[in-house]
Amino acid sequence: QVQLQESGPGLVKPSETLSLICSVSGGSMSRYHWNWIRQPPGKGLEWIAYIYYNGNTNYSPSLKSRITISIDTSKNQFSLKLSSVTAADTALYYCARLRADSSAYFDAFDIWGQGTMVTISS
Amino acid sequence: DIQMTQSVSSLSASVGDRVTITCRASQTITSYVNWYQQKEGKAPKLLIHAASSLESGVPSRFSGSGSGTEFTLTISSLQPEDSATYYCQQSYSTPFTFGQGTRLEIK
Repeated sequence: QVQLQESGPGLVKPSETLSLICSVSGGSMSRYHWNWIRQPPGKGLEWIAYIYYNGNTNYSPSLKSRITISIDTSKNQFSLKLSSVTAADTALYYCARLRADSSAYFDAFDIWGQGTMVTISS
Repeated sequence: DIQMTQSVSSLSASVGDRVTITCRASQTITSYVNWYQQKEGKAPKLLIHAASSLESGVPSRFSGSGSGTEFTLTISSLQPEDSATYYCQQSYSTPFTFGQGTRLEIK
C-alpha cells in the first residue's frame, strides 16, 4: 500500500528557509494531488499547498508569498520550501495524498505521512 | 476562504453512548466534507468522505450526514478506542480548510 514519509531538519533558524521532502512508496504519484498540511503544537490543522503529478500547484493565500512546492515523479518525491520563517511556523508538518472522486474533483486526504516536527528557533 | 466551525471543542461521553459532532460551513459546500480522527501523537485518519461515505476499513458505528452547510459525524455506540480529536474538512474549494477540532473524552 502507498506510504508517505516526511524528512528534513527538525530545527530551523528564524528568517531562514524550511525545506522538507515527502517520499512516496508503494504506488505511483500519477493522477493525484500531493499536499502539505501543518499542525502547530496543541492546535488544529492548516492546509499549506498541493502539487499535482503534472506540476500544477495551488497555495494557501496566507502563505503563498513564502512557499515553493515541487515534485520529482522519477524519484517519487515532492518537496516544500517555506522562506523567512518565524516562530509562528513551528509545527508538525504532514504530507498527504488528496484523492479525487468519480468526477475527478477533490475528495479527501486519504493517506498521510507520520509527520515531522519543525521548530523555528535561534 | 470557507470557514468550518465545529459546534463544540470538547465533549465527554460514556462507553455505549451515541455521540454526535456538528460542523457548519460558512457557505454551501454541497457534500464536499470529510471527517478525520486524530489520536494523540498520530496523523489524522480519514473516517468519512463526501459527507456520508464510510472509508474502507472504518467501523460501521461511524456515520456522517448533511449537505449544504450543516454536517454531522455520529458514533452510534462509543468505544474506548474512539477517544480522539475529530476534525471536519471541506474539499469544495481551495484553500482547503478544517474545523477547529472536537476532543472526545471517554468517561
